[in-house]
Formats: sequence, C-alpha cells, structure tokens
Amino acid sequence: DTAVSQTPKYLVTQMGNDKSIKCEQNLGHDTMYWYKQDSKKFLKIMFSYNNKELIINETVPNRFSPKSPDKAHLNLHINSLELGDSAVYFCASSQGGWAGANVLTFGAGSRLTVL
Amino acid sequence: GENVEQHPSTLSVQEGDSAVIKCTYSDSASNYFPWYKQELGKRPQLIIDIRSNVGEKKDQRIAVTLNKTAKHFSLHITETQPEDSAVYFCAASKGSGGYQKVTFGIGTKLQVIP
Repeated sequence: DTAVSQTPKYLVTQMGNDKSIKCEQNLGHDTMYWYKQDSKKFLKIMFSYNNKELIINETVPNRFSPKSPDKAHLNLHINSLELGDSAVYFCASSQGGWAGANVLTFGAGSRLTVL
Repeated sequence: GENVEQHPSTLSVQEGDSAVIKCTYSDSASNYFPWYKQELGKRPQLIIDIRSNVGEKKDQRIAVTLNKTAKHFSLHITETQPEDSAVYFCAASKGSGGYQKVTFGIGTKLQVIP
C-alpha cells in the first residue's frame, strides 16, 4: 500500500505547455510538501501545506500553483513550462507537531522533461 | 533563513572502510537534524535523525553526532558495503506548531568500491 503516491511518474512536454502533477498520501499526515530536485541532485523546497493551508511558499515563479483540496492531496500545476523547469518533483508528507516528528515520507518522484 | 552546508560532495571508499559526511547549519534555533539516503533513481528515505538535546545516536553501522556549540553534525558509516552507495543528504529543521521547514544540504554521493 503506497504511502505517498504521485502521478505521473514521467512527463515529457513542450515549452509553453501547462501540466499538472498529482499527489496523495494515505498516512493521515497533516503536512504535505513539494520539493524540486535538479540535475545536480539538490533538493529544494517549493511549497508546504498544513491541513490545506499554505504555510511555506519559497521563491518560486508564480507559474507554479499548488492546490490542496483536502489534507491528503496536494497537486502542483505549472503554466507556460520552460526548459529550466525540467527536474524531478518530489511530493512528501509529515506528521509535524513537534521537533522530531517532521520525518518526511517522499513519493517516488515525477520526472518532468521540457523540450 | 537556514543555510546547511555539506561536504564532501563526492566520496569514494573501499568496502569495509568508514565514511564520514559533515554538515554545518547557520540557524541556532534549528532543533532537529535528519539524514536521508537516496539510491539511484529512487526517493530519499530517512536513515537516522538526531534532536538538539542529544549529542550522539547510533543505529547499527551508522551513527550521527551533533555539536550544537559549533553548529555542525556528522554522519558516520562503518564497515561500508556496496549497498551503501547512494546520495546522502543532511538536513536541519526548526519550527513550531503543526509544521517544520526542512532545509537540505547539497548531498554527498558516496561510492563504495568492492
């Protein structure tokens, strides 16, 4: 039973297109995240939601818009895709609440390639 | 904001030798320090973590040490095996309420040579 699942696993698209990545967790966690991992493997946080409320919004172009319909889902929509958006996008969740409870459970990643 | 520096970026060791990865953090309010392992093509997974009120923690062949005064922490892997080959990320975390922001280091690619 997959704890954090994201779809699609691979996404190849042209510059200028709009695409979405979906994420769902069945762990009952309160907090969900989107991380971007570039070709150099650096993991950078993009967004975080706690109980459907946006709590972390790093310096990300406003072409990226997260949406959390409920605390088990966090989707990422990207408008007007650019070459530099090519990366692996990881969804993650955590229980939160106190120091040490912030163990991140990652999804398998969605590899986005913009041509 | 928090800044986590990690080194080395790459590390090659012979099977059976020890490997050490070091990280420093900037924000003295950080209170939780996890380490994640990412095998090739897979997701990062927690391997060990330490809280700010503990100086050292060990789990079989891996151990983590924390020096709060110097704001640095290290991962030690003893008796390395080929399956230890992966990218290792340190991280620092702080916060309150229902969430904590986790800042990752740049990662260390560990290669264990059989």
